[in-house]
Amino acid sequence: AQSVTQPDIHITVSEGASLELRCNYSYGATPYLFWYVQSPGQGLQLLLKYFSGDTLVQGIKGFEAEFKRSQSSFNLRKPSVHWSDAAEYFCAVGNQGGKLIFGQGTELPVKP
Amino acid sequence: GAVVSQHPSRVICKSGTSVKIECRSLDFQATTMFWYRQFPKQSLMLMATSNEGSKATYEQGVEKDKFLINHASLTLSTLTVTSAHPEDSSFYICSANPGQGGETQYFGPGTRLLVL
Repeated sequence: AQSVTQPDIHITVSEGASLELRCNYSYGATPYLFWYVQSPGQGLQLLLKYFSGDTLVQGIKGFEAEFKRSQSSFNLRKPSVHWSDAAEYFCAVGNQGGKLIFGQGTELPVKP
Repeated sequence: GAVVSQHPSRVICKSGTSVKIECRSLDFQATTMFWYRQFPKQSLMLMATSNEGSKATYEQGVEKDKFLINHASLTLSTLTVTSAHPEDSSFYICSANPGQGGETQYFGPGTRLLVL
């Protein structure tokens, strides 16, 4: 069965520090992988996606993620976090039918 | 591009009444839209897949008679919560797939439903 695990429910970082959010997936074929960000009371905004090709993908707002098939991981990174990055982050895996399965989310407060 | 809107953004209703939520793709056509439910501090749970011109496909455990979905056009899907009860209070989010390959979904801003 398809599943997505975000091991860290809550991570606190200081502004300017680097960030890595973990995501592990279980999927029988080559997955479509996504990272979304959700601000309080808002919908989801797509940060980046991986379908095929280069395993290091660049997204908006300075985020990047690396697909590692051997580890079934798709971790999200940012070299220097800004206070405006405080939000909840969701990793998701999708299939060709368009269905998305989301991880539990990682809440990210940013300390000044 | 790829903007999805939802209306209303929040609604309060009495128990036993029905509430309709609209999801519109503003600048693209979407043969498929999805409806999710999100409880506080939790992830999104897919409720159903809305297909233009055909019946919606519901996920296991979702009551199709309670959550009526209509996808009447390529830019509009509606979710009607019938005979709402307090336990239906939640954040409902829709998404739409432009269908240009890549399977990327674009999400609406969500509708906060409170049933008293």
